[in-house]
Amino acid sequence: QVQLQESGPGLVKPSQTLSLTCTVSGGSINSGSYAWTWIRQPAGKGLEWIGRVYTSGSTTYNPSLKSRATISLDTSKNQFSLEVTSVTAADTAVYYCVRSFVSRGFDPWGQGTLVTVSS
Amino acid sequence: SYELNQPPSVSVSPGQTATITCSGDKLGSQYVCWYQQKPGQSPLLVIYQDIKRPSGIPERFSGSNSGNTATLTISGTQPVDEADYFCQAWDSNTAVFGGGTKLTVL
Repeated sequence: QVQLQESGPGLVKPSQTLSLTCTVSGGSINSGSYAWTWIRQPAGKGLEWIGRVYTSGSTTYNPSLKSRATISLDTSKNQFSLEVTSVTAADTAVYYCVRSFVSRGFDPWGQGTLVTVSS
Repeated sequence: SYELNQPPSVSVSPGQTATITCSGDKLGSQYVCWYQQKPGQSPLLVIYQDIKRPSGIPERFSGSNSGNTATLTISGTQPVDEADYFCQAWDSNTAVFGGGTKLTVL
């Protein structure tokens, strides 16, 4: 059974870059036509899709992040990563890494990691 | 940008049927997924492709989608079903989520 686990700093200063890694266990990140995805959720609010990377390496991002997000794969480590540049307090949220497959929805989800943007 | 609208809250008595709606322009022309999120937990996929249940999701969860509205129905609602529920669809290669509905079982 595939499991995902986020890791990275819990505190980032304004204007700096947020960097998170998702480690996939129980299966190869290279197998199947999955999209490896990042989704975030500010406290008490709804879910926002950030973007995805396919096993081919191709990526798609939410236009709302205005090109600040980059998602990449590291197949040698069975990981994928997220970078968000020029962060502000509005980027404070729980960040989830998730697997998705075509129209089958987002499943499974990592446990989530809280990132706070503050000086 | 595409919007999915959900009622902020729905209340239901134990054992009754809970209905949560999700509306969006021509929503019935695409697949909708539903997620359950309990406090302090990650979201859990409960319905995909409008009507399908992932393995392990109880049969009391069902879905439908037609016209501009998708519906999540929980038959014989149990106290353990109290949670936030989010619908999700796609718009121009971008995933979109509804604002969420807090289901209270009382």
